[in-house]
Amino acid sequence: QKEVEQNSGPLSVPEGAIASLNCTYSDRGSQSFFWYRQYSGKSPELIMSIYSNGDKEDGRFTAQLNKASQYVSLLIRDSQPSDSATYLCAVRGGGSYIPTFGRGTSLIVHP
Amino acid sequence: KAGVTQTPRYLIKTRGQQVTLSCSPISGHRSVSWYQQTPGQGLQFLFEYFSETQRNKGNFPGRFSGRQFSNSRSEMNVSTLELGDSALYLCASSLGLLASQRYEQYFGPGTRLTVT
Repeated sequence: QKEVEQNSGPLSVPEGAIASLNCTYSDRGSQSFFWYRQYSGKSPELIMSIYSNGDKEDGRFTAQLNKASQYVSLLIRDSQPSDSATYLCAVRGGGSYIPTFGRGTSLIVHP
Repeated sequence: KAGVTQTPRYLIKTRGQQVTLSCSPISGHRSVSWYQQTPGQGLQFLFEYFSETQRNKGNFPGRFSGRQFSNSRSEMNVSTLELGDSALYLCASSLGLLASQRYEQYFGPGTRLTVT
């Protein structure tokens, strides 16, 4: 059974700070990794995808993947109150191609 | 480009009834997946369709079924509803399943199903 683990939080950071969200996964053969943002009462919104080891940057967001450690993270620079949401990590590939989501980390950015 | 649409947005059903939910993917997207989201279990994968064929299936009972049409639109059906089926049902579309294609999924607004 593939597992994706996230700290449920809440992670509280001040406005302007860097928020660091972490995710570990159990299936070493996993190939595709995604971060979604979900505001309360809304559906998940894709933020980033990453497929190879290293960093991938998109605006204020940076995804980091370390397959050896089975670890993927999301950094949000210059955090804004509008970034307050639940961030879901998703993993795909490996033994089964079923996408598996973590339970999410709640992020609170306070002014 | 229009996003993923789902109908209906809200639904109230009685235990034992059946329900059909509909999803229209983003234009050009050929893969549609369905998820169930509950506070207790989080986001759980139901099934995935590509070119009218079910390609992957999650660990849900046979009461949950789906299909995809030639225009990539998809429906899911839940028969003999149980109280525990109350959830947000999300549809997500992506370009396709092949290794060379992108797996990024874009979610619709969801259908909130309440079973009483």
